[in-house]
Amino acid sequence: NAGVTQTPKFQVLKTGQSMTLQCAQDMNHEYMSWYRQDPGMGLRLIHYSVGAGITDQGEVPNGYNVSRSTTEDFPLRLLSAAPSQTSVYFCASSFTGGSYEQYFGPGTRLTVT
Amino acid sequence: GDSVTQMEGPVTLSEEAFLTINCTYTATGYPSLFWYVQYPGEGLQLLLKATKADDKGSNKGFEATYRKETTSFHLEKGSVQVSDSAVYFCALRVVGTNAGKSTFGDGTTLTVKP
Repeated sequence: NAGVTQTPKFQVLKTGQSMTLQCAQDMNHEYMSWYRQDPGMGLRLIHYSVGAGITDQGEVPNGYNVSRSTTEDFPLRLLSAAPSQTSVYFCASSFTGGSYEQYFGPGTRLTVT
Repeated sequence: GDSVTQMEGPVTLSEEAFLTINCTYTATGYPSLFWYVQYPGEGLQLLLKATKADDKGSNKGFEATYRKETTSFHLEKGSVQVSDSAVYFCALRVVGTNAGKSTFGDGTTLTVKP
């Protein structure tokens, strides 16, 4: 099992550019989510999905889009990058249910200039 | 709503010292409780968990007991090592509500000096 994979590992964008952060898991998990991690602010949930074709917003969804066409993949799209989106982004997956832990990818470090 | 409050860091200890990181929570339902660890440059990984009151989770010498009466899940280790230096996150997840979203504390940075 590869677990949760994320690409790219590092990315530099100019303000206004768009890009997609890729996330894939091979554990047949229904639940997938995207977080951003900023110094002193812990983890903040951007978007999540409870299955293919179902997505919903987290606490900081503005400026980001997601889709879930397959169980395995959950890409995160930045529509028009802004310096405030400079952050480390983590994708996570798990089985649905309160007792299940989340499995995290290695992260994407994004800098917007 | 749900929330997790962790002891503020950073925490600096000498090798072989005793570690406690406090964690308290509020939850709208009956939560499962987790401790995750994040090593530098990596994603979070599960350290231990407990799914019902009075359960004790343990792993790699770390322990935490689910205390419903005090809504706490404090992390302890009897003798820390330099390799335990990392950021530790307390988290909860509630069965059947919020679509299973997790709630995380802000993280506590631990540095262990030789």
